[in-house]
Amino acid sequence: GAVVSQHPSRVICKSGTSVKIECRSLDFQATTMFWYRQFPKQSLMLMATSNEGSKATYEQGVEKDKFLINHASLTLSTLTVTSAHPEDSSFYICSARDSRLMNTEAFFGQGTRLTVV
Amino acid sequence: DAKTTQPPSMDCAEGRAANLPCNHSTISGNEYVYWYRQIHSQGPQYIIHGLKNNETNEMASLIITEDRKSSTLILPHATLRDTAVYYCIVRVWSGGSNYKLTFGKGTLLTVNP
Repeated sequence: GAVVSQHPSRVICKSGTSVKIECRSLDFQATTMFWYRQFPKQSLMLMATSNEGSKATYEQGVEKDKFLINHASLTLSTLTVTSAHPEDSSFYICSARDSRLMNTEAFFGQGTRLTVV
Repeated sequence: DAKTTQPPSMDCAEGRAANLPCNHSTISGNEYVYWYRQIHSQGPQYIIHGLKNNETNEMASLIITEDRKSSTLILPHATLRDTAVYYCIVRVWSGGSNYKLTFGKGTLLTVNP
């Protein structure tokens, strides 16, 4: 299947700093990308959906000023966690698909483990 | 949004077929059923999807009931590497050709030697 690469796979940052996570589609054009967050022993929670060249659509309860999403190209989306706090520590996962095709599946990155200390 | 109900956990013997059920009684006519799995600390892996016909690929088979209110994912010969959380998801259109995948709690399948 298609490959989605996420970087870094794990990151530790100090409270109050910002962290950027990259998500790349390696062999297809990702017109739509999704960002999820997963806390231990819980399911994935959709944070936002972004279409290339447009502003992201955030799910209810997700602060758009805290979780900045940029999707400026067809192969790259970034999630920046601004002013990170320990409660932002989580597993962040991106997903991508070519939404120009109606029924294509979404492929997931390997996830980024963020620890805020 | 259509919701799904799955058993929280199942066990299966290695080499046997694993049949994972999913109820989606509120599914709409144009909503697809998707299955993904997540091995510990990794991103979800796509398995299969379908609308109303049964589907098969190299990983699994998907059996959808005629009324589309439930489905079963079949792993024909489970291996230890198939131990994972399996998510049954009803795809919800969010405008144009965009859709959202909302994950439930899934089923933890444990394949035993």
